[in-house]
Amino acid sequence: DAGITQSPRHKVTETGTPVTLRCHQTENHRYMYWYRQDPGHGLRLIHYSYGVKDTDKGEVSDGYSVSRSKTEDFLLTLESATSSQTSVYFCAISESSGIHGYTFGSGTRLTVV
Amino acid sequence: QQQVKQSPQSLIVQKGGISIINCAYENTAFDYFPWYQQFPGKGPALLIAIRPDVSEKKEGRFTISFNKSAKQFSLHIMDSQPGDSATYFCAARESGGSYIPTFGRGTSLIVHP
Repeated sequence: DAGITQSPRHKVTETGTPVTLRCHQTENHRYMYWYRQDPGHGLRLIHYSYGVKDTDKGEVSDGYSVSRSKTEDFLLTLESATSSQTSVYFCAISESSGIHGYTFGSGTRLTVV
Repeated sequence: QQQVKQSPQSLIVQKGGISIINCAYENTAFDYFPWYQQFPGKGPALLIAIRPDVSEKKEGRFTISFNKSAKQFSLHIMDSQPGDSATYFCAARESGGSYIPTFGRGTSLIVHP
């Protein structure tokens, strides 16, 4: 998707290992978000950022941490991956008010074995 | 607590038919109701959105109907096409605060040729 890139696109990792997912935007939007998508649960917010070094928890933040040292990058870290964190992770960006909705990345499919 | 309830979970429609997806909400402070469309392997993309000061919004074959008193809104896809096969998410958001929308759990639509 134009303006927002997620990496990697796919990853397989072992239980107990740390994992970092990256979201990079070129739109200079203030807000960035991490969601996970699971069958039957839809999109659930993990963490979000409203500026450099300003972050807050979403509804499913346990086991995840985030960092935003630059406007364009938002990192999601699984400190010690568990099988329950197998999911598709989406990054999204929005302007300050979100009036034009979100722009989502193409997602990262993470499998924890 | 599910603030936005979406139904049905899945929907199969014949080409040329009408697809209808419904959402209901509880929070009367919600004032922006977007719908997102997601194709397999892609992130969701904003499809159409409505504010509660109007009862209907139409964009091409896609129409949002909004019933403020019933706290319900729905997406109608007229003349459904196989290319409309996707997952659809409704969402609701209140102004002020973090502007973060609450998503429904999604509807998987299949349009048969």
